[in-house]
Amino acid sequence: DTAVSQTPKYLVTQMGNDKSIKCEQNLGHDTMYWYKQDSKKFLKIMFSYNNKELIINETVPNRFSPKSPDKAHLNLHINSLELGDSAVYFCASSSNQETQYFGPGTRLLVL
Amino acid sequence: GENVEQHPSTLSVQEGDSAVIKCTYSDSASNYFPWYKQELGKGPQLIIDIRSNVGEKKDQRIAVTLNKTAKHFSLHITETQPEDSAVYFCAAFWSGYALNFGKGTSLLVTP
Repeated sequence: DTAVSQTPKYLVTQMGNDKSIKCEQNLGHDTMYWYKQDSKKFLKIMFSYNNKELIINETVPNRFSPKSPDKAHLNLHINSLELGDSAVYFCASSSNQETQYFGPGTRLLVL
Repeated sequence: GENVEQHPSTLSVQEGDSAVIKCTYSDSASNYFPWYKQELGKGPQLIIDIRSNVGEKKDQRIAVTLNKTAKHFSLHITETQPEDSAVYFCAAFWSGYALNFGKGTSLLVTP
């Protein structure tokens, strides 16, 4: 019954590694997002895809690369992880680009 | 771009009292204003929203008011309960972009 799901829930890795976070939604929505929540709880948009096409790409290092194989999935790949990448990453989806439904988050810790 | 200010950053009330959280936005083109509740270890959940053509909306113990002229909107929670304790985020949206979030209010309801 999970509407927006993310895997993994926790991710602990070494600096310099490459990792991926996966997101799936079963709501039939056309638009999906990645947000980053820092240690101060601030939520900031990173990317948005509509029907598999990139529509928002905020000022994010190009080490972050989103990939949308289909409307229901939006994955986030991160190369050469840095300490500052430690945060909680949330996936979200929307049918009208307004009301957004968030996943449970992926807690990334870079050591 | 849109700038959303949220106050207070922390709020402590006694069970049964009311809680009010206020937000201001900068872009007059913003037309959709959701409120999210984030419990510890979970993703933000939409609790109520309001569009720019409406001044007030109520859902049981939760209400939101919008003053377009002054560019501010508020969340009102009446008869607070301990389970209302969470971080609350306001956001503003304008068409073609993404949600811009306030920095959050940590609400604590003490029995």
